[in-house]
Amino acid sequence: QKEVEQDPGPLSVPEGAIVSLNCTYSNSAFQYFMWYRQYSRKGPELLMYTYSSGNKEDGRFTAQVDKSSKYISLFIRDSQPSDSATYLCASTDSWGKLQFGAGTQVVVTP
Amino acid sequence: DADVTQTPRNRITKTGKRIMLECSQTKGHDRMYWYRQDPGLGLRLIYYSFDVKDINKGEISDGYSVSRQAQAKFSLSLESAIPNQTALYFCATRESGANTGELFFGEGSRLTVL
Repeated sequence: QKEVEQDPGPLSVPEGAIVSLNCTYSNSAFQYFMWYRQYSRKGPELLMYTYSSGNKEDGRFTAQVDKSSKYISLFIRDSQPSDSATYLCASTDSWGKLQFGAGTQVVVTP
Repeated sequence: DADVTQTPRNRITKTGKRIMLECSQTKGHDRMYWYRQDPGLGLRLIYYSFDVKDINKGEISDGYSVSRQAQAKFSLSLESAIPNQTALYFCATRESGANTGELFFGEGSRLTVL
């Protein structure tokens, strides 16, 4: 069983809708939680990271971590066609061991 | 120019051939990584290197080898390619001590083994 589980989708939403992405993890030692965005034919790029539980907001993006339930979420408000990409969650422990989810493909239709 | 450059970007080869994928970086990072990406499986770590003399196996190293020629160069070899090594391969770098997990990826090398 993978340490970070993520539904691969695809997830299709109309422009302007809220995109909700989720991951679960099993390793209690994970402390940093990240979301990477990967456009087609490109490498992943870090979108946001959070440390421990809580929320972090950056423009239209909000990342949430609930360590009690081992749940990681990413919300995209007012979604745009340019948000169409694959979103990968990832977690790392204090030693820096990084584990990725499978990635969720998001399609925002005009 | 890209900070992390991979060559070739696309390669088609036959079963049994030796293949080398090359990666060079200008970020000055000590840590370099090779991942493969498959649909539904995400990114899986093949090998990683914390400096020129430190090379470590990842979760799926069988059938692969690596060479860290310099701080800026890290190559991945498939000694005898097989069809299930068909995948998208990524090189990545990371700053030492950066436990936040920010990796800087190249644009990928798509390998097809017939």
